[in-house]
Amino acid sequence: AAGVIQSPRHLIKEKRETATLKCYPIPRHDTVYWYQQGPGQDPQFLISFYEKMQSDKGSIPDRFSAQQFSDYHSELNMSSLELGDSALYFCASSPRLVGTQYFGPGTRLLVL
Amino acid sequence: EDQVTQSPEALRLQEGESSSLNCSYTVSGLRGLFWYRQDPGKGPEFLFTLYSAGEEKEKERLKATLTKKESFLHITAPKPEDSATYLCAVQGPRGSARQLTFGSGTQLTVLP
Repeated sequence: AAGVIQSPRHLIKEKRETATLKCYPIPRHDTVYWYQQGPGQDPQFLISFYEKMQSDKGSIPDRFSAQQFSDYHSELNMSSLELGDSALYFCASSPRLVGTQYFGPGTRLLVL
Repeated sequence: EDQVTQSPEALRLQEGESSSLNCSYTVSGLRGLFWYRQDPGKGPEFLFTLYSAGEEKEKERLKATLTKKESFLHITAPKPEDSATYLCAVQGPRGSARQLTFGSGTQLTVLP
């Protein structure tokens, strides 16, 4: 069965640089969620999209922005990167607003 | 604010030694309670969704149950390959995104 695809899987950036993370949801899933997981921590909700419109925001810094495109893939744009942004970033998708979320393999971001 | 507390933080079992993991939650209007398994550096893998008190679901050596205040993940005769972090998450009605609020997880180690 098709799963959530995330790219890149690993990313190394310098402080103050920008990064773009991509997420391709499971086919026919119209809702995408972004989560951040720091070392030894549980996933924290950042932002979500439903039918290409922002649905809700969590603890997402103002330096981050995201969007969902017409093919339902989503991109998380991160600017002015800080050391504390180093984490695993997960994308999850679900077939509707309420329901099981299926997670991708994550992008490991390291900011030096 | 939705809250999820998991116990114990870590659990070491001998192969074949059955046990239970606990997830206590506080949420205004539970939409769903989810169990995930997470291996180091990987995305959470979906296990179960429970929607109402009294509901039970089983999969191989795992069985999840739900009451109005907590959920249990019972592991029967575990094997070393069951070693992982088990995450509990709740989905409430607050907002429109239905994002998940995670507990801190139980790190399970099954010794051969």
